[in-house]
Amino acid sequence: GQNIDQPTEMTATEGAIVQINCTYQTSGFNGLFWYQQHAGEAPTFLSYNVLDGLEEKGRFSSFLSRSKGYSYLLLKELQMKDSASYLCAVRGSNDYKLSFGAGTTVTVRA
Amino acid sequence: GAGVSQSPSNKVTEKGKDVELRCDPISGHTALYWYRQSLGQGLEFLIYFQGNSAPDKSGLPSDRFSAERTGGSVSTLTIQRTQQEDSAVYLCASTLAGSYNEQFFGPGTRLTVL
Repeated sequence: GQNIDQPTEMTATEGAIVQINCTYQTSGFNGLFWYQQHAGEAPTFLSYNVLDGLEEKGRFSSFLSRSKGYSYLLLKELQMKDSASYLCAVRGSNDYKLSFGAGTTVTVRA
Repeated sequence: GAGVSQSPSNKVTEKGKDVELRCDPISGHTALYWYRQSLGQGLEFLIYFQGNSAPDKSGLPSDRFSAERTGGSVSTLTIQRTQQEDSAVYLCASTLAGSYNEQFFGPGTRLTVL
């Protein structure tokens, strides 16, 4: 089976940095995705990691350690519009099925 | 539009009725997924279609759930004899085939079973 864990909620101040951790135990590993989902909207793709290390994309970065079954999403220079749920998803042993965590709701306060 | 579309956006039905949800994937995307998102839960995989291959139905929660994909494009998810626990947001996603491509999600159908 698949087990994806991430914190339920996080709160941060506008302009600050927040790190959302995700740990996973899956049968096989074929990549890890982060998605952003605003309330009532569809999830949108943020990042993809398949090799160890840091992937940077503007204000957002994602890190992966396969040996530790661990990833984090780093949001820098937080803006009010970053208030959303952030979903960690792992592709397991087959190459098409994603297992999602329950999501981390980030609230950005002024 | 170029995105994934779903209809209806909202559906309220009575317990025991059948419902049909529709998904129009992005043109050219050969892979299509259905997920269910209940309040406070992660996205739950329901079914996967890839081209003309047999679908992966392993996530369908009961035999009341079925899905079709006609002509490799539009898909319908049917729930028969709906129950209150079926209330959720049903999301459709499509992607190009291949491990490294992200899934593009539709806006979802919010189903409420009274």
